[in-house]
Amino acid sequence: EVQLLDSGGGLVQPGGSLRLSCAASGFTFTSYGMSWVRQAPGKGLEWVSAVSSGGSNTYYADSVKGRFAISRDNSKNMVYLQMNSLRAEDTAVYYCAKSAQFDVWGQGTTVTVSS
Amino acid sequence: DVLMTQSPLSLPVTLGQPASISCRSSQGLVHSDGKTYLNWFQQRPGQSPRRLIYRVSDRESGVPDRFSGSGSGTEFTLKISRVEAEDVGVYYCMQGTHWPRTFGQGTKVEIK
Repeated sequence: EVQLLDSGGGLVQPGGSLRLSCAASGFTFTSYGMSWVRQAPGKGLEWVSAVSSGGSNTYYADSVKGRFAISRDNSKNMVYLQMNSLRAEDTAVYYCAKSAQFDVWGQGTTVTVSS
Repeated sequence: DVLMTQSPLSLPVTLGQPASISCRSSQGLVHSDGKTYLNWFQQRPGQSPRRLIYRVSDRESGVPDRFSGSGSGTEFTLKISRVEAEDVGVYYCMQGTHWPRTFGQGTKVEIK
């Protein structure tokens, strides 16, 4: 069974940092790009970042460029999102999603940025 | 960025009746590989999004055949032939042709 398990969320103060993790299983991880998508409370879906299958190419939404960094470890079937200089508007549920077409989603991990 | 516009944003439906959601893109969605990457997602209350339809009209495995997708160019539609109670939730279209990926605002389907 294809599965994505998101973790690492929590409460952080404005300006702080957090690293999210996504553990993948049930498919050939090295064959697929991966993304992070977020959903602010009561709002819609917003793509945040993507990484190519080999990890050499990364993409970011303008709203997080320069503050967030996506990476992957193909030896561990893991994807990460390092989030720095966090703002209140980054408060959201963050989902890991498989492939460039988001065919499988994780259960989400909640990030709250508040003092 | 490609703007995705859905209508309506709220859709009250009687059980057993059809429902239709429209999605319009600000640019064409035909990729350089010739395929059109328009996806539909369902998000039930309290759950993660789930992909229902990909490449305009292909249903994911396990998705009931009462769900169908159609369209071309910049106009796309998701139809539910007979709404069931389990279909309550928010439906999003998303273009997968251009970066950044962009979603519609979401259409909330509820039972009258």
